[in-house]
Parts: sequence; structure tokens; C-alpha cells
Amino acid sequence: EAGVTQFPSHSVIEKGQTVTLRCDPISGHDNLYWYRRVMGKEIKFLLHFVKESKQDESGMPNNRFLAERTGGTYSTLKVQPAELEDSGVYFCASSQGLADTDTQYFGPGTRLTVL
Amino acid sequence: RKEVEQDPGPFNVPEGATVAFNCTYSNSASQSFFWYRQDCRKEPKLLMSVYSSGNEDGRFTAQLNRASQYISLLIRDSKLSDSATYLCVVNSGGYQKVTFGTGTKLQVIP
Repeated sequence: EAGVTQFPSHSVIEKGQTVTLRCDPISGHDNLYWYRRVMGKEIKFLLHFVKESKQDESGMPNNRFLAERTGGTYSTLKVQPAELEDSGVYFCASSQGLADTDTQYFGPGTRLTVL
Repeated sequence: RKEVEQDPGPFNVPEGATVAFNCTYSNSASQSFFWYRQDCRKEPKLLMSVYSSGNEDGRFTAQLNRASQYISLLIRDSKLSDSATYLCVVNSGGYQKVTFGTGTKLQVIP
């Protein structure tokens, strides 16, 4: 079974540009999460989709970030315009159920560098 | 105070040693607890969930102390392959919103 995949693996852009990250969850997983780890800090929750609906977006840093999950399959996270502090590793995760004990499976992450 | 706190380490231990990590959490309403392992430049992977009664998986033992609000991870007979960062993860409510600790780095040396 394929795991969570993310694209691209690395992205280097200049301040002010736009970048779109993609996440393909494990097939059949209704729950999809975005997380971010900036240098030297802990991994932080950004938002959670249940199918195509945003269940919780309390971790989104500001309105320069837009996440979508049309059709309830893959998700995109767009940063527009990117700022220097957006640099970090963006992880996507998916899980099957909503029980607290349901395992979240993480993708390999997208390493974003904003110059 | 951070929601989830861990000693960042590094913990440098010889092969075969026993090592223990603690993690404290601030939200007394927290319900679920996990240890994840993250190798350098890789994604976090679930190592084990932590149950109230404590649980063991091979060389790994996890404990939960609700009264003192901490969880622990014990690794016995350390292997070189155990070298990684161990992330403490706490779910503080429904819908699986989790909070990560900064991680504890373990280096097992020959």
C-alpha cells in the first residue's frame, strides 16, 4: 500500500513568490493534516481536513496560507506571497478514523526555502 | 510554558545501554499520548502509543503518569539503529489535533 506522498520534496523560491505544495494521502483516509517545522522549533499543526471540509484550521499562521482539498482526495497548500519566515519543512499526514488513538501516517515532507 | 516539553539531548549512550526519556505536558485534559521516531531529514513515524497501564513492545516500554503529567520511553539494550530523534506527541482533544514536543536526540555509539 502506498504511503503518504508529497510534492515537491524541495522548493527554493524568492520572497514574494508563490509556492504550492501537494499532498496525496493514503487511499481511503478521510483525514488529512498539514504540519510545519521551522528551524529549531517543534512540528506544529496547521490544519485538518475531514474529506473535503476543513475541520480545524486554527494553526494556519496567516491569510497568506491557503489549503484546499477539492474532492476529498489530495490536498494543496499554497503560500502567497511567501516570506522568509515561511521557510521550513511542511509535513502532511493522514489517518483513517477520528479516534484519538488512530495513527497518523506522515509523508516525507516538503522542504521550503524562501530567499 | 510549552504544552509539551522534552529534553532535547543529545543523549549519547553506548550500545547495549538502557536509556530513558521523559516528556511533560501541560494540559491535564490530554487524552492520548504517543512516541514518534524521526530519523534525520525523514518524516516522523509512530513508534508506540502510550496507554494508561503502560505498554511494552520488545525493547521499548512506554509509561504514562497522569498525576504528574508526564510520559516516558525506556529503551533497553540500545542498538546503533536506535539513533534518531524521539518525539513526544500529545492529543489534547477530539479530532486528533496533536501537539509535538521538540524531540529528544539519541545517539547510540559503538
